Amino acid sequence: SAVISQKPSRDICQRGTSLTIQCQVDSQVTMMFWYRQQPGQSLTLIATANQGSEATYESGFVIDKFPISRPNLTFSTLTVSNMSPEDSSIYLCSVRDLGAELFFGEGSRLTVL
Amino acid sequence: QQQVKQSPQSLIVQKGGIPIINCAYENTAFDYFPWYQQFPGKGPALLIAIRPDVSEKKEGRFTISFNKSAKQFSLHIMDSQPGDSATYFCAAAVMNYGGATNKLIFGTGTLLAVQP
Repeated sequence: SAVISQKPSRDICQRGTSLTIQCQVDSQVTMMFWYRQQPGQSLTLIATANQGSEATYESGFVIDKFPISRPNLTFSTLTVSNMSPEDSSIYLCSVRDLGAELFFGEGSRLTVL
Repeated sequence: QQQVKQSPQSLIVQKGGIPIINCAYENTAFDYFPWYQQFPGKGPALLIAIRPDVSEKKEGRFTISFNKSAKQFSLHIMDSQPGDSATYFCAAAVMNYGGATNKLIFGTGTLLAVQP
């Protein structure tokens, strides 16, 4: 399975600021996804990161709030913009390898004060 | 129709017991059903997955039972150990052309505690 590295692993941010989370994979992968896991909750798909084009967002998530980049087949970023305490969550990068299974990174734990 | 309903929310068993976690779905287009295990402070890890063409799949102490007509599937953990204490998520997806999963729809999770 692919090795997925996320940075930062955790951060504490002030309301109104923005934070960019990086996801690096050790091999080329077909698809990359960003999920959100609110405290004690399940995982919700934010968007599919498309290489070289705009991300595909799920209902309830918009590009202005969660801009995503994917410049190549091994790297993606998720920015959480104009943060509020409701954005405090774990943000997870997920990738699909050639075997079709989905794998997750360790997550980035964000606390907004 | 896109939901996956998971129960129970939490579960406590004694070491050696067989915890069973159940999931149900509505969307008959779902054809890939994985289970994930998540330890505190870690990302979810793929545990085992099943396709609807089989009724059971076993990997080590973990078994998935699948009932296509009832649209239900469950995870059984044989001879459970304290190290199995974690949150378990079921999920479902539609396999697109080429056999690659697209987006997973996750259940709400089950917090399992295995007491020594």
